[in-house]
Amino acid sequence: ETGVTQSPTHLIKTRGQQVTLRCSSQSGHNTVSWYQQALGQGPQFIFQYYREEENGRGNFPPRFSGLQFPNYSSELNVNALELDDSALYLCASSLLSGTPGELFFGEGSRLTVL
Amino acid sequence: GENVEQHPSTLSVQEGDSAVIKCTYSDSASNYFPWYKQELGKGPQLIIDIRSNVGEKKDQRIAVTLNKTAKHFSLHITETQPEDSAVYFCAASIGANSKLTFGKGITLSVRP
Repeated sequence: ETGVTQSPTHLIKTRGQQVTLRCSSQSGHNTVSWYQQALGQGPQFIFQYYREEENGRGNFPPRFSGLQFPNYSSELNVNALELDDSALYLCASSLLSGTPGELFFGEGSRLTVL
Repeated sequence: GENVEQHPSTLSVQEGDSAVIKCTYSDSASNYFPWYKQELGKGPQLIIDIRSNVGEKKDQRIAVTLNKTAKHFSLHITETQPEDSAVYFCAASIGANSKLTFGKGITLSVRP
């Protein structure tokens, strides 16, 4: 069983640019969640995708957008990058069911905005 | 929305001692409380979780207790080992959608 994989692992962008981060979910999982983890902080929920539809969103502006594909992999897109967007972006996959299920996290994509 | 607070922010213990990490939450509707361990350069990994219909859960050297009335839950690690050194996060969620609200994390250091 393959785990959650994210790419790229590190990247540097400048203010105003756009970035796309990618995530492959764990085999058998149908849900992908994205979290932003600033240095020294806990992860913050950005949004979740279930069967290619957005299924909940945290307190992030519309320039944060996402996609989920038929194979349940996912992308996070951030437009008009700001310095405060510098963070570790974590993808987590799970199997949505009647009771809360374990989130399996990838190792993250570390974004630096200069 | 839900607010999860975690304290202390750092904890240092001698190898073999016990460590206790406490968290409080604000939303009485929260019903799922996982604990994650994050090692340097890695994503968080679930170590134990508890649901609101249970007061305590154990798994070998780790245990979690939940007090719904006081809205707090705690992680207990016994016989600590140097490999327990990491950042530990508590979290809470409502319902089945797995949207977790995390605490700020605690850095646990186990001195050999």
